[in-house]
Amino acid sequence: AQTVTQSQPEMSVQEAETVTLSCTYDTSESDYYLFWYKQPPSRQMILVIRQEAYKQQNATENRFSVNFQKAAKSFSLKISDSQLGDAAMYFCAYGDDKIIFGKGTRLHILP
Amino acid sequence: GAVVSQHPSWVICKSGTSVKIECRSLDFQATTMFWYRQFPKQSLMLMATSNEGSKATYEQGVEKDKFLINHASLTLSTLTVTSAHPEDSSFYICSARAARTIVLPLHFGNGTRLTVT
Repeated sequence: AQTVTQSQPEMSVQEAETVTLSCTYDTSESDYYLFWYKQPPSRQMILVIRQEAYKQQNATENRFSVNFQKAAKSFSLKISDSQLGDAAMYFCAYGDDKIIFGKGTRLHILP
Repeated sequence: GAVVSQHPSWVICKSGTSVKIECRSLDFQATTMFWYRQFPKQSLMLMATSNEGSKATYEQGVEKDKFLINHASLTLSTLTVTSAHPEDSSFYICSARAARTIVLPLHFGNGTRLTVT
């Protein structure tokens, strides 16, 4: 069975600084997707970034980028120029037929 | 973008009663919908996968007789919590995958907070 592990329950970063959230996963599949979702206090799930496993190039969405290491089964999220609005719960997720979520990392932004 | 509407956003019911939660795809057809449960400060746990016109597939440990899932049309799936108990109190979120696409579900409802008293 596939698993997703986020080893950082909480992290803090100074506003305008850069922070990296870690994620590892386990699967025997070769074709799959990886995601980072943001869940603010409203609890709405917001897609931050998506990576197809067959693509070697790391995905980037404005201030958000990933470091995808397929062999190591690692998928970290880097947030540059952190903003107060980035404060939320961040979930790493694995998907092929369905999406499985990690336990999440709560990110605090310090003004 | 694609919109998934979940209703109600919150509900309080008495122990022993049943509660129905609806998940609708408003501007696309969803052949598959997923139901998740989220306890406070925890992750989303997949409960079941709902395919239009067929029986839902439940994850291990989820009671299918307690959590009834129906996906009667390409735009609507319902989750019914039967004979609810206080331990069923939780946040329930649905997600939908558009038909004729291999792209995974990117569209989530806003969730339903269920409180059983």
